[in-house]
Amino acid sequence: GENVEQHPSTLSVQEGDSAVIKCTYSDSASNYFPWYKQELGKGPQLIIDIRSNVGEKKDQRIAVTLNKTAKHFSLHITETQPEDSAVYFCAASTGGFKTIFGAGTRLFVKA
Amino acid sequence: DVKVTQSSRYLVKRTGEKVFLECVQDMDHENMFWYRQDPGLGLRLIYFSYDVKMKEKGDIPEGYSVSREKKERFSLILESASTNQTSMYLCASSRGQGRDGYTFGSGTRLTVV
Repeated sequence: GENVEQHPSTLSVQEGDSAVIKCTYSDSASNYFPWYKQELGKGPQLIIDIRSNVGEKKDQRIAVTLNKTAKHFSLHITETQPEDSAVYFCAASTGGFKTIFGAGTRLFVKA
Repeated sequence: DVKVTQSSRYLVKRTGEKVFLECVQDMDHENMFWYRQDPGLGLRLIYFSYDVKMKEKGDIPEGYSVSREKKERFSLILESASTNQTSMYLCASSRGQGRDGYTFGSGTRLTVV
């Protein structure tokens, strides 16, 4: 069945460094790729998304890239801050009602 | 501030009990979802609804049912709770069909003893 693999499961960076989280999807019909941030005690929150007709999207310190040929997409966070510490989920959707989520990456930003 | 509200933050229930998890959204979204979140497994879809009184099974519907009598409310029902249903349950809503992001509630952590 459809699958989204997410790596790494845990990532620890120094404040100010960059963090990269990578995902691979299996369904070539996927055309919408959201990223969610889940802080402790809260539900996931949409932070950025990308659609299949775009290769890259930026929003301040975060960016997403998409390689449709390789079925890879990545989240890049620059100049990390302690408040970036959270669990991040990637997801892929074909435009129907089912969105497939990755297993999550726990990001620690050390001050 | 738009939101999805889940009625309980923490619940402890006994094996065999019937459990109701309630979710309300104030964004007039057509679609509502129930996910289960377990460590290392990400979010898995239990059921979703695209309209009042309409429901569809997700990937792990066994042991669960749902009810959507009003557009803003989507309930998850555990007919006879079991210990393997101990988990974090997340409700979400969306406007589009998988081409718009979800708004999630804060979650209900259910423990079945």
